[in-house]
Amino acid sequence: KQEVTQIPAALSVPEGENLVLNCSFTDSAIYNLQWFRQDPGKGLTSLLLIQSSQREQTSGRLNASLDKSSGRSTLYIAASQPGDSATYLCAVRIKAAGNKLTFGGGTRVLVKP
Amino acid sequence: DAGVIQSPRHEVTEMGQEVTLRCKPISGHDYLFWYRQTMMRGLELLIYFNNNVPIDDSGMPEDRFSAKMPNASFSTLKIQPSEPRDSAVYFCASSFNPGITEAFFGQGTRLTVV
Repeated sequence: KQEVTQIPAALSVPEGENLVLNCSFTDSAIYNLQWFRQDPGKGLTSLLLIQSSQREQTSGRLNASLDKSSGRSTLYIAASQPGDSATYLCAVRIKAAGNKLTFGGGTRVLVKP
Repeated sequence: DAGVIQSPRHEVTEMGQEVTLRCKPISGHDYLFWYRQTMMRGLELLIYFNNNVPIDDSGMPEDRFSAKMPNASFSTLKIQPSEPRDSAVYFCASSFNPGITEAFFGQGTRLTVV
């Protein structure tokens, strides 16, 4: 059974510092991995999608890497801002589970002004 | 496109009552997913449809839960009868081709069963 883990569960950094969020998964036979942001009481906003054949994806201040062989993905957010405060979730789509997304527990981020 | 639209945003109901959650996927997306989010279990897939046909309902917790997709632009998730442990946020998501494209989520329905 695919397990997706995000450590730490919570993170607090001063404004301007770079954020590094980790995601690990046990089954490396994946189609893709998706990073989401969730604000309190809101839905999930898609940030980045990385296909299994890709090593990284970039969007503005966000960069996500994927190391399929070791079952890891890292989301980097450069020069953090208070507006980056949210919960960040990673989800993988594994081949054995068809089109189902399996989510990690999320990392709650607080960027202090 | 307005994105995935869910209604209602909030629902408070008494135990034993029927609850119906609604979802309109993004136009052109062939896949529709229903997820449930709780503090204890995080986000879990309940059921998903491809071209209006249910493909995997293994996450539906009990027979009290049912889902339908009568056409490409509308889906419902029904709980009958509802119980306090069904209290959660229910999300609908859609995707054009999950193997290669993103899944987009609605704002969710926060269900409270008292």
